[in-house]
Amino acid sequence: SQKIEQNSEALNIQEGKTATLTCNYTNYSPAYLQWYRQDPGRGPVFLLLIRENEKEKRKERLKVTFDTTLKQSLFHITASQPADSATYLCALSGGGSQGNLIFGKGTKLSVKP
Amino acid sequence: DAGVIQSPRHEVTEMGQEVTLRCKPISGHDYLFWYRQTMMRGLELLIYFNNNVPIDDSGMPEDRFSAKMPNASFSTLKIQPSEPRDSAVYFCASNALGLAGETQYFGPGTRLLVL
Repeated sequence: SQKIEQNSEALNIQEGKTATLTCNYTNYSPAYLQWYRQDPGRGPVFLLLIRENEKEKRKERLKVTFDTTLKQSLFHITASQPADSATYLCALSGGGSQGNLIFGKGTKLSVKP
Repeated sequence: DAGVIQSPRHEVTEMGQEVTLRCKPISGHDYLFWYRQTMMRGLELLIYFNNNVPIDDSGMPEDRFSAKMPNASFSTLKIQPSEPRDSAVYFCASNALGLAGETQYFGPGTRLLVL
């Protein structure tokens, strides 16, 4: 069956460092992958989308890579700030004409000042 | 636009009672998704609609769950009868291919507690 794993439930880093979050998947060939941010008591908010034929995508301090051979995506936040503290979810397209997304359980990032 | 609107934001009920959750998608979006989020299972897709028609309901856990979309601006998720294990946060999301691509826009969620 399809499986998505975000390698850690929680990640603690110091302000100014680069945070790297990992998303692995098995038994699956998604057309694209998305990263969302979720703050406590709120719904997920879209951050970035990367397609299977793209290796890397950037947006301001965010960078996403997508390795379909390793079946892995890395999500980087450079020059991290306490305001980046949140839970980050990866989501893969579920296939079909409309991507019903399959979500990982998320990694809770805490950036300490 | 106000974004996806969900009501109520919090619901506390007793086992056996009927629960109805409501969602208003973003205007112009023709896809609507219902998700359930728990600590144990994460965010799970329950059902999604396209142009008010249910496309995939394979994620609906049991016959106690039902969803409707009578028009483009309103959807309901009903649980009857409710059970304690239904306690979770229920999210509604919407999008429109061609406008927002595959990005989904989530509402604030309904936190359901079944006692």
